[in-house]
Amino acid sequence: KQEVTQIPAALSVPEGENLVLNCSFTDSAIYNLQWFRQDPGKGLTSLLLIQSSQREQTSGRLNASLDKSSGRSTLYIAASQPGDSATYLCAVRPHGGSQGNLIFGKGTKLSVKP
Amino acid sequence: DTGVSQDPRHKITKRGQNVTFRCDPISEHNRLYWYRQTLGQGPEFLTYFQNEAQLEKSRLLSDRFSAERPKGSFSTLEIQRTEQGDSAMYLCASSLVSHPQYFGPGTRLTVL
Repeated sequence: KQEVTQIPAALSVPEGENLVLNCSFTDSAIYNLQWFRQDPGKGLTSLLLIQSSQREQTSGRLNASLDKSSGRSTLYIAASQPGDSATYLCAVRPHGGSQGNLIFGKGTKLSVKP
Repeated sequence: DTGVSQDPRHKITKRGQNVTFRCDPISEHNRLYWYRQTLGQGPEFLTYFQNEAQLEKSRLLSDRFSAERPKGSFSTLEIQRTEQGDSAMYLCASSLVSHPQYFGPGTRLTVL
């Protein structure tokens, strides 16, 4: 059974710092991995999607990497801003079997202090 | 196109009542998903449709839950005889096949 773990559960940093969020998954047979942002009481906003054949994806100050063989992904946020404060969720889409659902971690709650 | 929409955004009900939620996907998306999220947890998959066909249901979807997508466009999720344990955020997402899922704002259900 695929399980997704995110470490740390919470992180507080001063504005301007670079930071890394970690995601690990137990089964390397994935179709893709997706990082989401969730603001309190709101839905999810997709940040980056990495296909299983890719190593990384970049969007602005965000860079996500994928090491499928070791079951790990990282989300790197450069020059953090208070507006980056949110919960960041990692989700994998399993390869084979169910083609529909995403399996999520519990998220990392990020707080960026001015 | 304004993305995935869900209605209502908040619902408070008493235990034992039935509730129904609606999701309107992005218009050209043929896949529609329902997830449930409780406080401090990531979303958990409930079910998904491709067009009007319900292709998969999670074991989380008990007999009290039913979802429909009658014309392959909007979907409804009904919970019968609600229990306090049903209190959660219910999220809808849509996508094209093999493309990223786009999520709606969710419906927060509180069962008293």
